[in-house]
Amino acid sequence: DSGVTQTPKHLITATGQRVTLRCSPRSGDLSVYWYQQSLDQGLQFLIQYYNGEERAKGNILERFSAQQFPDLHSELNLSSLELGDSALYFCASSVGRLNTGELFFGEGSRLTVL
Amino acid sequence: AQTVTQSQPEMSVQEAETVTLSCTYDTSESDYYLFWYKQPPSRQMILVIRQEAYKQQNATENRFSVNFQKAAKSFSLKISDSQLGDAAMYFCAYRSLETSGSRLTFGEGTQLTVNP
Repeated sequence: DSGVTQTPKHLITATGQRVTLRCSPRSGDLSVYWYQQSLDQGLQFLIQYYNGEERAKGNILERFSAQQFPDLHSELNLSSLELGDSALYFCASSVGRLNTGELFFGEGSRLTVL
Repeated sequence: AQTVTQSQPEMSVQEAETVTLSCTYDTSESDYYLFWYKQPPSRQMILVIRQEAYKQQNATENRFSVNFQKAAKSFSLKISDSQLGDAAMYFCAYRSLETSGSRLTFGEGTQLTVNP
């Protein structure tokens, strides 16, 4: 158990809909990272938050947005969903600014868009 | 920007044998971490081993060891005495130390099959 909690584990929805994925980082971790893994592909970095502020952006679509709340949990919002958005979405956390170690990953949220 | 390349999409090994997975990376930085993560069919991302670039000694974790060649920007993973439970997708990853709190950059992965 990595200590990172993601909900929901599975989500099935229709094209055009909006969903919210939630992540609770490890206790004490200030940084949250979101990654997307499409079928049989590597992990693509979407966005990072540090202590409530956006730190870095990757290949995140304009239809997607995220935020980190004062209690450090984070939400990834996906709107106007398309079939190609079907993927496994990972949240990861790390201690923060001076951390030099690995990222700890949640079990992922599997999104299926029909 | 840093890139990570895994040139072996698939590898297979006999149970109890040794296999080496390759990884190369491109960076202009001198301070960084390298990692190998394992993703079994459950899809959980599990850290296998990590290497600090400033350390010359290759990291070892039980049956897993790395061959880190900084000048060549190469970071291979050796799995000794392979077990059926080692079957998974393996990802090589890079993390900068020169950008605080930076992301992990992953390679495309190597699917390892372990044959009984």
